[in-house]
Amino acid sequence: DVKVTQSSRYLVKRTGEKVFLECVQDMDHENMFWYRQDPGLGLRLIYFSYDVKMKEKGDIPEGYSVSREKKERFSLILESASTNQTSMYLCASSLSAGGGMASYEQYFGPGTRLTVT
Amino acid sequence: AQKVTQAQTEISVVEKEDVTLDCVYETRDTTYYLFWYKQPPSGELVFLIRRNSFDEQNEISGRYSWNFQKSTSSFNFTITASQVVDSAVYFCALSEARLTGGGNKLTFGTGTQLKVEL
Repeated sequence: DVKVTQSSRYLVKRTGEKVFLECVQDMDHENMFWYRQDPGLGLRLIYFSYDVKMKEKGDIPEGYSVSREKKERFSLILESASTNQTSMYLCASSLSAGGGMASYEQYFGPGTRLTVT
Repeated sequence: AQKVTQAQTEISVVEKEDVTLDCVYETRDTTYYLFWYKQPPSGELVFLIRRNSFDEQNEISGRYSWNFQKSTSSFNFTITASQVVDSAVYFCALSEARLTGGGNKLTFGTGTQLKVEL
């Protein structure tokens, strides 16, 4: 079974702090993703990575950055946390389509509920 | 731009009733993939099904069935004889099929909260 783990289930930080959210997957997936989930808005993509050191902005990258130094690990960084970044953060991974036209299911971690006060 | 609409915000049913969750999508791609995920109260999204745009066959898995109709851009999900354990938020999602660069981003709908009561 695919296992995606996130460093914390619950996190409370103060406004202005630098926050690191860590995600690790154990299935050698090329693709990794960070989403935030807010009531009534569903899941929105923040950033994704399709290879080590490669990243692309998603739909809402402002205020966030990411790091992928190793294939199994994808970190989300809030450079200066703000109250509007209070949310549930979900990490996911998936296989790459390789040279073909395909899209594979994403496997999700349990989520980190971040509160910024 | 891709878009997924789940117009039903919340549905309540009594156990053993059948229930259908609607999903309507928009895309300009000719090759795309559709997914359904379940998010139980524990919070972790669970993958249910993946369907590509060239396969319009309906699928049945136990009490779950999916109806994919390209003509109406819909990919609806039916639970037969619902049970309390089916209570969850269900998300429909759409993905482009990228030839290079990987990624395969998902565009999610806003989800449907299903409550199954005794």
